[in-house]
Amino acid sequence: AQKITQTQPGMFVQEKEAVTLDCTYDTSDQSYGLFWYKQPSSGEMIFLIYQGSYDEQNATEGRYSLNFQKARKSANLVISASQLGDSAMYFCAMRESWAGSYQLTFGKGTKLSVIP
Amino acid sequence: SAVISQKPSRDICQRGTSLTIQCQVDSQVTMMFWYRQQPGQSLTLIATANQGSEATYESGFVIDKFPISRPNLTFSTLTVSNMSPEDSSIYLCSVAQSSYEQYFGPGTRLTVT
Repeated sequence: AQKITQTQPGMFVQEKEAVTLDCTYDTSDQSYGLFWYKQPSSGEMIFLIYQGSYDEQNATEGRYSLNFQKARKSANLVISASQLGDSAMYFCAMRESWAGSYQLTFGKGTKLSVIP
Repeated sequence: SAVISQKPSRDICQRGTSLTIQCQVDSQVTMMFWYRQQPGQSLTLIATANQGSEATYESGFVIDKFPISRPNLTFSTLTVSNMSPEDSSIYLCSVAQSSYEQYFGPGTRLTVT
């Protein structure tokens, strides 16, 4: 079974609107972390936001917020007030505690296109 | 956050040759990793680069094909050996300074002809 599932291969959003990118995960660990990265066409991986499994509050970083629903094992990324520069691939990733070395497992990604 | 550089940023190589990719970090980091991203795909972990000892490889990746060095806490190299067109990918190094931070280098875009 896939550990990270991103069910939306592609998404479109109107500029200035909000958009939610879905991510569900599968782990039996109690302690784990969830990451979101942005990958523009240049190929670099830009860290956006992190949510720990024990964090009671949803993480926020500027226009990015993470809708963390632990019981549903979902960690959706919400981008508010979309901008043209937000057009990119977005990857959800998980760090499990058993790994010990902080390695990440990635989902297949969602390609977001922002329409003017 | 750590500043990570990679060399080369891109290369076109002939099949059967080898390429060594360098990853330099501006501060000492505990964990350093190498990932591969094949065209249109997600990232797959190749190995954890261990300082002063042999790298820890993931299933499907072997040392003879992807030898890794990590002589100190700020530098690592990944060699892609005896390349074939299937090795055409973006290779990324990443560093983890804690369990809640992991940053990536700009990547090396490799094309094998």
